[in-house]
Amino acid sequence: NAGVTQTPKFQVLKTGQSMTLQCAQDMNHNSMYWYRQDPGMGLRLIYYSASEGTTDKGEVPNGYNVSRLNKREFSLRLESAAPSQTSVYFCASSLSSNQPQHFGDGTRLSIL
Amino acid sequence: AQRVTQPEKLLSVFKGAPVELKCNYSYSGSPELFWYVQYSRQRLQLLLRHISRESIKGFTADLNKGETSFHLKKPFAQEEDSAMYYCALQGGSEKLVFGKGTKLTVNP
Repeated sequence: NAGVTQTPKFQVLKTGQSMTLQCAQDMNHNSMYWYRQDPGMGLRLIYYSASEGTTDKGEVPNGYNVSRLNKREFSLRLESAAPSQTSVYFCASSLSSNQPQHFGDGTRLSIL
Repeated sequence: AQRVTQPEKLLSVFKGAPVELKCNYSYSGSPELFWYVQYSRQRLQLLLRHISRESIKGFTADLNKGETSFHLKKPFAQEEDSAMYYCALQGGSEKLVFGKGTKLTVNP
């Protein structure tokens, strides 16, 4: 089992460019999440999907959109990247929303 | 509202010394509490959860409902314990809420 797989691992964008971060899990989990990790801020939830077909805003959703493409895949899109979105992005999944989460390796995104 | 506080951003100890990473929470019901660990440039991993009452890699954590705390302890720290540690709370059917994390450095 690969667990939670994120692509790409690294990306550099220019301000205003768009980008989609991909996430897939092979654990048959129902719930999936996108976080950003910034120094001194810990992990902040951007969006989550409690089950296939549903998505909800987290703590910091502005500037992002998500798509729960199917049970396995949950993508995060930056429509017009801004330097404030420079961060490490983690995708996670869990069997249900009240079960422990399993994380991907992260995507390091730099916006110039 | 659910809230998790990790009062120490940084914690430094010497190898062989005891270590305690503090976690306090705010939640009106019965919470589920977790500790996650992130070694340098790796993914977050679940270290332990309070309901399983396990000891993982020598770490233990006890839920103290009176003090609303879930501190992580290890009697003898090792250099390989150096990592970022996150306390997390889940209340009822709500999603997980993370603290801001404590960076532990174990010096030789």
